[in-house]
Amino acid sequence: GENVEQHPSTLSVQEGDSAVIKCTYSDSASNYFPWYKQELGKRPQLIIDIRSNVGEKKDQRIAVTLNKTAKHFSLHITETQPEDSAVYFCAASSPPSGTYKYIFGTGTRLKVLA
Amino acid sequence: DGGITQSPKYLFRKEGQNVTLSCEQNLNHDAMYWYRQDPGQGLRLIYYSQIVNDFQKGDIAEGYSVSREKKESFPLTVTSAQKNPTAFYLCASSGFSGNTIYFGEGSWLTVV
Repeated sequence: GENVEQHPSTLSVQEGDSAVIKCTYSDSASNYFPWYKQELGKRPQLIIDIRSNVGEKKDQRIAVTLNKTAKHFSLHITETQPEDSAVYFCAASSPPSGTYKYIFGTGTRLKVLA
Repeated sequence: DGGITQSPKYLFRKEGQNVTLSCEQNLNHDAMYWYRQDPGQGLRLIYYSQIVNDFQKGDIAEGYSVSREKKESFPLTVTSAQKNPTAFYLCASSGFSGNTIYFGEGSWLTVV
């Protein structure tokens, strides 16, 4: 079945450094790729998303890149800050074809060390 | 995000008891979902619904039941058949055509 692999599972960076999280999806029909940030005990919140007709999207310190040929997409956080520490989930969604299933990655725990 | 309301935030279940988690959305979204999250783990899909009076099993539906009598509401019942229900439960919704999925604030269920 469809799946999304996410790496690494944990990531520690020094404050001010960059962090990169990578996801690979299996369903070539996937066309929407959101990233969520989840702080401890709270709900996941959308931080950035990208659609399959775009190769890169940036929002301040956060960027997402998509390689449709290789079926992978990545989250890039620059100038990391302690408040970036959280669990990050990627997801892939396919066009409506009778299902509305979002396939989530297993999450990356990011620790930004002050 | 503020348009999805889950209640209660904390719930305790005794052995053999059924409990129901409420989820209401005012975003006019067609699709609604229930996810389970165990501590330190990812999101696992329990049930989802695309339209009123229709719903589909997700990856871990055993021991759970849902209904979708209204577009705005998608309650989840955790039955006594679910032997290990202690977890964080997240309700979510999305618009048509696979648009962004938004989550409620979650409900913590603990077995006592």
